[in-house]
Amino acid sequence: EADIYQTPRYLVIGTGKKITLECSQTMGHDKMYWYQQDPGMELHLIHYSYGVNSTEKGDLSSESTVSRIRTEHFPLTLESARPSHTSQYLCASSDPLRGGLDTQYFGPGTRLTVL
Amino acid sequence: QKEVEQNSGPLSVPEGAIASLNCTYSDRGSQSFFWYRQYSGKSPELIMSIYSNGDKEDGRFTAQLNKASQYVSLLIRDSQPSDSATYLCAVITSGTYKYIFGTGTRLKVLA
Repeated sequence: EADIYQTPRYLVIGTGKKITLECSQTMGHDKMYWYQQDPGMELHLIHYSYGVNSTEKGDLSSESTVSRIRTEHFPLTLESARPSHTSQYLCASSDPLRGGLDTQYFGPGTRLTVL
Repeated sequence: QKEVEQNSGPLSVPEGAIASLNCTYSDRGSQSFFWYRQYSGKSPELIMSIYSNGDKEDGRFTAQLNKASQYVSLLIRDSQPSDSATYLCAVITSGTYKYIFGTGTRLKVLA
């Protein structure tokens, strides 16, 4: 069973605010991912990390930034939120050594609304 | 051509029937394949993973992999209304080992 947590679960915030979406996992996985998904639409990879101090941009351009200072923690930050950032943000983690086939496990998601 | 393709649906099946969901992929060297279920407003949850050619069964779910034809399918036997969701196919590509998701197939099981 996956132990991956995201906070907050829901966030409504005004334009221009700085926000940080938290993601933590207790499985010791090296790989972590952030996806953005609009309702009824496909998943878009926006950031990923293969270990501490390693971060890469995903396939979808995003104005957000990430950091990976600890294995278990992979926060996503928006310096200045805009209505176009309104979406669901999903965090996932995987580890080929522990998950067999490098299976990704997802957190519950953060639904962000920017007014 | 997308790396992982799925019919968006919706696929409607009556309760108790077999639902068949298909996924094709373009990277012939891909080795690992996954099926996720995603309920509306929720995050994807893993149903099955498959690595070798052939069938893999888990309860009412059977994953089928055919590497020569580059497709993977998911069969759901005795479909229930609670199976109504979007089913995502995911593939790990060779070389770059990227995790690629399909756009998902929406399944509706009619009571």
